[in-house]
Amino acid sequence: EAQVTQNPRYLITVTGKKLTVTCSQNMNHEYMSWYRQDPGLGLRQIYYSMNVEVTDKGDVPEGYKVSRKEKRNFPLILESPSPNQTSLYFCASSLYNLPLYEQYFGPGTRLTVT
Amino acid sequence: QKEVEQNSGPLSVPEGAIASLNCTYSDRGSQSFFWYRQYSGKSPELIMFIYSNGDKEDGRFTAQLNKASQYVSLLIRDSQPSDSATYLCAVNIGGGSEKLVFGKGTKLTVNP
Repeated sequence: EAQVTQNPRYLITVTGKKLTVTCSQNMNHEYMSWYRQDPGLGLRQIYYSMNVEVTDKGDVPEGYKVSRKEKRNFPLILESPSPNQTSLYFCASSLYNLPLYEQYFGPGTRLTVT
Repeated sequence: QKEVEQNSGPLSVPEGAIASLNCTYSDRGSQSFFWYRQYSGKSPELIMFIYSNGDKEDGRFTAQLNKASQYVSLLIRDSQPSDSATYLCAVNIGGGSEKLVFGKGTKLTVNP
């Protein structure tokens, strides 16, 4: 089954404790992206990657890191989480071409930072 | 800052009516336009995408794009209670920066 998976689905952590949210897709998609969704602010792009070893900032990259060492994986790293990073996070992937094709979303990771 | 604006709603229509959702965007270089549906607590799922000016129909859904007016809309015909969800407009900000910018969404309720 073609899908985007994220782990963990739910995470409660404390301020300053480094964490990684994994994202994996099995569709051989070039483009992968991370979003956060907050009430009243909608979905905002954190980082995106157009292919292996190619990443770029979205609209809200501060406090996050990403890497793309393999085509299928795109982990999101919070080196020192803070309470304002409490949010619902989505990973997405798509075929990359010009124009950008439709994105397929993972199930989401609900993160709480206390 | 490239922006995508949607009516926040909520929009309420009776079952069987046409629901009309609107979206405007600020970047004239945008090339790809998407409508996603999101049920509460779930991930967004693609409803329609459109790249060219004009109308694109898929079942009960019609996407309309007017690049000159920087306007994209989604019409849902014969609305059903199962269409009740938040609809997100997304625009690909291209020109070498392949970001995808989402509007804040319009909450639609279809009343039986």
